[in-house]
Amino acid sequence: AAGVIQSPRHLIKEKRETATLKCYPIPRHDTVYWYQQGPGQDPQFLISFYEKMQSDKGSIPDRFSAQQFSDYHSELNMSSLELGDSALYFCASSLTTLTPRSPLHFGNGTRLTVT
Amino acid sequence: AQSVAQPEDQVNVAEGNPLTVKCTYSVSGNPYLFWYVQYPNRGLQFLLKYITGDNLVKGSYGFEAEFNKSQTSFHLKKPSALVSDSALYFCAVRVSFPNDYKLSFGAGTTVTVRA
Repeated sequence: AAGVIQSPRHLIKEKRETATLKCYPIPRHDTVYWYQQGPGQDPQFLISFYEKMQSDKGSIPDRFSAQQFSDYHSELNMSSLELGDSALYFCASSLTTLTPRSPLHFGNGTRLTVT
Repeated sequence: AQSVAQPEDQVNVAEGNPLTVKCTYSVSGNPYLFWYVQYPNRGLQFLLKYITGDNLVKGSYGFEAEFNKSQTSFHLKKPSALVSDSALYFCAVRVSFPNDYKLSFGAGTTVTVRA
């Protein structure tokens, strides 16, 4: 079965650089969520989109922005990177008509290292 | 506000013994509870969910969880643990009102099953 695809798997950037993370949800899923997981931490919710509109916002820094496109894929744009942004970034998708009953399906994540 | 708590950072059991990972929840609406497992450098894999109905929920890989409304708990259990069950386990919650569809995770419990 198709799963959530995230790219790239690994990304190394220097401080003050920018990074773009991509997420391709499971086909037919219309909702995308972004999470940040620091070392030894639980995943922290950043932002979500439903039908290309932002549906919820969590602890996302102002330096980050995200959007969902017409094909439902999503991109997380990160600017002025800081060392503390080094983390595993997960994307998850779900089918809204089933929420909140349906689980979120997570990708394998993008590991961002800022040096 | 919705939240879940996992009181144990680590659980260690011998292979073949029962495994229990504890989770308690605090929500203002009806809880939708989930368990996820995370292997090193991997995404979160859905194990099982409680929506409504039977308090004992069966999930993947022989895991089950018991919903207890009076104790506001949703403990994950496996009758006979395997070495391959060693991983990081997260309890998570969503609520249907006020449509807070994002998942909120507990801090996670590291399970180590020794041979």
